[in-house]
Amino acid sequence: EAQVTQNPRYLITVTGKKLTVTCSQNMNHEYMSWYRQDPGLGLRQIYYSMNVEVTDKGDVPEGYKVSRKEKRNFPLILESPSPNQTSLYFCASGISPAGTKNIQYFGAGTRLSVL
Amino acid sequence: KQEVTQIPAALSVPEGENLVLNCSFTDSAIYNLQWFRQDPGKGLTSLLLIQSSQREQTSGRLNASLDKSSGRSTLYIAASQPGDSATYLCAVEENTGFQKLVFGTGTRLLVSP
Repeated sequence: EAQVTQNPRYLITVTGKKLTVTCSQNMNHEYMSWYRQDPGLGLRQIYYSMNVEVTDKGDVPEGYKVSRKEKRNFPLILESPSPNQTSLYFCASGISPAGTKNIQYFGAGTRLSVL
Repeated sequence: KQEVTQIPAALSVPEGENLVLNCSFTDSAIYNLQWFRQDPGKGLTSLLLIQSSQREQTSGRLNASLDKSSGRSTLYIAASQPGDSATYLCAVEENTGFQKLVFGTGTRLLVSP
């Protein structure tokens, strides 16, 4: 079954404590990305990766890091979380290069609260 | 900068009604437009993808249309059911080659028995 798996699903942490949200896909997709979803703002892209070792910033990259050492994994790292990073996070994957038929698959989401 | 707007923000209908959700976007330079369904705790599920050269796509009781020149899309749901209750998101993929999806803020649909 085609899947994008995120862990953890729920996380409560404190300001400044480094954390990593993992994302893994089993579809051999080259493209992966991270979005955050906030009320009234919709989903906004944080970072994306076109392939292994190729990453770039999205619209809201401040305070986040990513790495793409393997094709299937794309972890999101918050080195020093702050309360304004409290949000619902989604990982997505798709075929690269982009095309008119490119359906993207999303994980179930990670709800993060930073106190 | 691409902006995607969805109207209405929320909709409540009795079971069996046909309904239309609206999506508009400001820049017609897109690869495709996708409609997603979001259920609490279950992430996003792609419902329909309309390529930029297409006018509509159908899947079961769902029909999505695209008018790229006017920057509009509609999602038509026939004979609505309580199981259709969810938030519906519209997203356009910009034709920049970077596969970024630009999302609307969604329409929250409640279908009551």
